Amino acid sequence: AQTVTQSQPEMSVQEAETVTLSCTYDTSESDYYLFWYKQPPSRQMILVIRQEAYKQQNATENRFSVNFQKAAKSFSLKISDSQLGDAAMYFCAYRSGPGVTGANSKLTFGKGITLSVRP
Amino acid sequence: AAGVIQSPRHLIKEKRETATLKCYPIPRHDTVYWYQQGPGQDPQFLISFYEKMQSDKGSIPDRFSAQQFSDYHSELNMSSLELGDSALYFCASRTGTSGKVEQFFGPGTRLTVL
Repeated sequence: AQTVTQSQPEMSVQEAETVTLSCTYDTSESDYYLFWYKQPPSRQMILVIRQEAYKQQNATENRFSVNFQKAAKSFSLKISDSQLGDAAMYFCAYRSGPGVTGANSKLTFGKGITLSVRP
Repeated sequence: AAGVIQSPRHLIKEKRETATLKCYPIPRHDTVYWYQQGPGQDPQFLISFYEKMQSDKGSIPDRFSAQQFSDYHSELNMSSLELGDSALYFCASRTGTSGKVEQFFGPGTRLTVL
């Protein structure tokens, strides 16, 4: 079974600065996807960024980028130019392979990290 | 753009009662997932459906059952409710098209069992 570990329960960043959230995972699969989800106080789960394991290039979405180290099974999220609206719980999540039917396509989440942004 | 709809948004029940949670996926999405998020916890996968058939099962108690209907909406039925069932229940949907892996989450149903 796959596991996702987020060892930092909380982090804090100054507005406009950069912060990196860590995530490691364990799997024996070679084909999988990794995601970062944001959960603000509203509790809505919002997809921030995704990474395909077969891609060597790190994904980037505006101020959000990842550092994907497949051999080390590490998947960190970098938030640049932090904004007050970035304050939320961030979950790292794993999904198996490219399956279409829904089997083995569930998300396995880490415990999450609470990010606070200081004005 | 249309999003995943969940109803009700809030539900209060007594112990041993029954609850039904509903999920309406994004149009043309044929896969539905249910997750349970306890207070201060990460979401835990319960069950999923693809084309109206159960496709995967996680840590769903035997007291819970679910199904996906012909219009692709899904219902999670919970019986003999326990205090520990109090949680936020998310539904997520996805299109089964190859390469489309993102799951889009609904706003959740907050269930409180007294």
